[in-house]
Amino acid sequence: QKEVEQNSGPLSVPEGAIASLNCTYSDRGSQSFFWYRQYSGKSPELIMFIYSNGDKEDGRFTAQLNKASQYVSLLIRDSQPSDSATYLCAVNDYQAGTALIFGKGTTLSVSS
Amino acid sequence: EAGVVQSPRYKIIEKKQPVAFWCNPISGHNTLYWYLQNLGQGPELLIRYENEEAVDDSQLPKDRFSAERLKGVDSTLKIQPAELGDSAVYLCASSSLTGGGELFFGEGSRLTVL
Repeated sequence: QKEVEQNSGPLSVPEGAIASLNCTYSDRGSQSFFWYRQYSGKSPELIMFIYSNGDKEDGRFTAQLNKASQYVSLLIRDSQPSDSATYLCAVNDYQAGTALIFGKGTTLSVSS
Repeated sequence: EAGVVQSPRYKIIEKKQPVAFWCNPISGHNTLYWYLQNLGQGPELLIRYENEEAVDDSQLPKDRFSAERLKGVDSTLKIQPAELGDSAVYLCASSSLTGGGELFFGEGSRLTVL
């Protein structure tokens, strides 16, 4: 059973702080890694993807991937109250044609 | 470019009644997915289509759930008869074969079974 594990939280940070969200996965064949943000009552929206080991930055967001440790993380710098949402980690073995497997999500709360 | 469109957004039915959800993917996206999301959980795959073909339906409860994607565009997910435990959000998503595997979701159909 392929699994994606996330700490459900809630993770609470003050406005302006760095929020760190973590995810581990069980399938070593996973090749693509995604972070989705889901506001309450809304559907998931893609915020970042990463395929290679190391860091990938996009504005205030940085995704980090360590395939040897089967670990992927998302850092949110200068956290804003509007970042308060559930963050879903998802992985797939794209070359094998598998669909995304999602974690349960981590709820982030940014206080002003 | 229009996103993934789903209907209805909300549906309330009595148990044992049938229900159907419709999805129109992003234009040009060959792959279509139906996911189920329970409260506090991540989306779970029900079925995946490549064009008209259901290539992964291993998680679809086939005794009561059925799906179709005629002509490789729109898709319908049906539940008959519905049970109390089917109350959830049904998410449709699509992706492009030329993409990196990222999925684009519709707004979802929230089902409440009484």
